[in-house]
Amino acid sequence: AQSVTQLGSHVSVSEGALVLLRCNYSSSVPPYLFWYVQYPNQGLQLLLKYTTGATLVKGINGFEAEFKKSETSFHLTKPSAHMSDAAEYFCAVRGMDSNYQLIWGAGTKLIIKP
Amino acid sequence: ETGVTQSPTHLIKTRGQQVTLRCSSQSGHNTVSWYQQALGQGPQFIFQYYREEENGRGNFPPRFSGLQFPNYSSELNVNALELDDSALYLCASSLGPLEAFFGQGTRLTVV
Repeated sequence: AQSVTQLGSHVSVSEGALVLLRCNYSSSVPPYLFWYVQYPNQGLQLLLKYTTGATLVKGINGFEAEFKKSETSFHLTKPSAHMSDAAEYFCAVRGMDSNYQLIWGAGTKLIIKP
Repeated sequence: ETGVTQSPTHLIKTRGQQVTLRCSSQSGHNTVSWYQQALGQGPQFIFQYYREEENGRGNFPPRFSGLQFPNYSSELNVNALELDDSALYLCASSLGPLEAFFGQGTRLTVV
């Protein structure tokens, strides 16, 4: 069965510092991978996705993620954190069974220190 | 902003009552999924509809049921509400295995 692990339920960085949110997945087939962001009391917004092709994918708000098959990882990064980045971030993998169910990590809350 | 809209945005129900939540999917998307997100937790998959048929279900009891209509909009029905059903309910639409687009959610409070 596929699964997603996000290391760190909370990550705290200073404004202007590098943001690194970790995501590892287990899958027996090449997966589709996604990062979503959720602001308080709102729905989930797609940040970026990996399906096929280039392993470094760029998303909205200056975020990017790199698919590393050998490490089964899809870590999310941003060179310089901004206060508006404070939110919860979810990594998800698209199951490759017949119904393409999204399988979610537990989420990482990103805290930005002024 | 996605084309997925959910209604209502908030509602309060009494334990034992029934509730219907609605979702209008993004144009062209034939798949709708519903998720329950309790406070401080990640989304939990309830079920998914593809072309009006349920084609996947998470670990939720039968009192959680749904419908998808020919225009691909969807309803989530919950019977015999329990206090633990209080959560944010999220609807997402997609086209096959590609990205899912989420609505803003319905905040359900059961008292």
